[in-house]
Amino acid sequence: GAVVSQHPSRVICKSGTSVKIECRSLDFQATTMFWYRQFPKQSLMLMATSNEGSKATYEQGVEKDKFLINHASLTLSTLTVTSAHPEDSSFYICSATPGGNPHGYTFGSGTRLTVV
Amino acid sequence: DQQVKQNSPSLSVQEGRISILNCDYTNSMFDYFLWYKKYPAEGPTFLISISSIKDKNEDGRFTVFLNKSAKHLSLHIVPSQPGDSAVYFCAASSTSGTYKYIFGTGTRLKVLA
Repeated sequence: GAVVSQHPSRVICKSGTSVKIECRSLDFQATTMFWYRQFPKQSLMLMATSNEGSKATYEQGVEKDKFLINHASLTLSTLTVTSAHPEDSSFYICSATPGGNPHGYTFGSGTRLTVV
Repeated sequence: DQQVKQNSPSLSVQEGRISILNCDYTNSMFDYFLWYKKYPAEGPTFLISISSIKDKNEDGRFTVFLNKSAKHLSLHIVPSQPGDSAVYFCAASSTSGTYKYIFGTGTRLKVLA
């Protein structure tokens, strides 16, 4: 089955630094990947849609200059949290679907970001 | 504006009994629905889906029912097992759009042995 790998699974960084999270589709090509964020005891909130070879589409309220998304290849999308602050601490998850199947989403295992 | 709602934050069920998780939505454009299961600190795992052209879809112990007029869907797990204990999210999308999924807030299911 389709596998999405997300790295790192856990990261702690200092305020003001930047953190990069990788999302890879291991056995399929993904022209579109999605980035979600989950706060404790809350729902998965879609942050942005990552499009291979073009700019990401951000959801309302998500700062594109703070959450930089790069989708440089058909198997890799990266989310960089720039100038991180403690309020950015959250669980970040990516998802992708093989062959553009809109209903076959596979999620990565998530990244727990803690900003101290 | 929460377009997908799961009004029960938690549910406890005895092992072997039926678990029923509910989900309501407000956007009539939604026509495809998914249920995901999530353990702490892990990504969600797909469970079952249903298209709006159906009112029921079954996969083993999992059955999803869709009531379009009520904008309501439910996930039935029978028989429930302790390994089913997790947080369950329903998600909805419109196939006429960009296939973005809107997630509910989740229901924590605890199956008691």
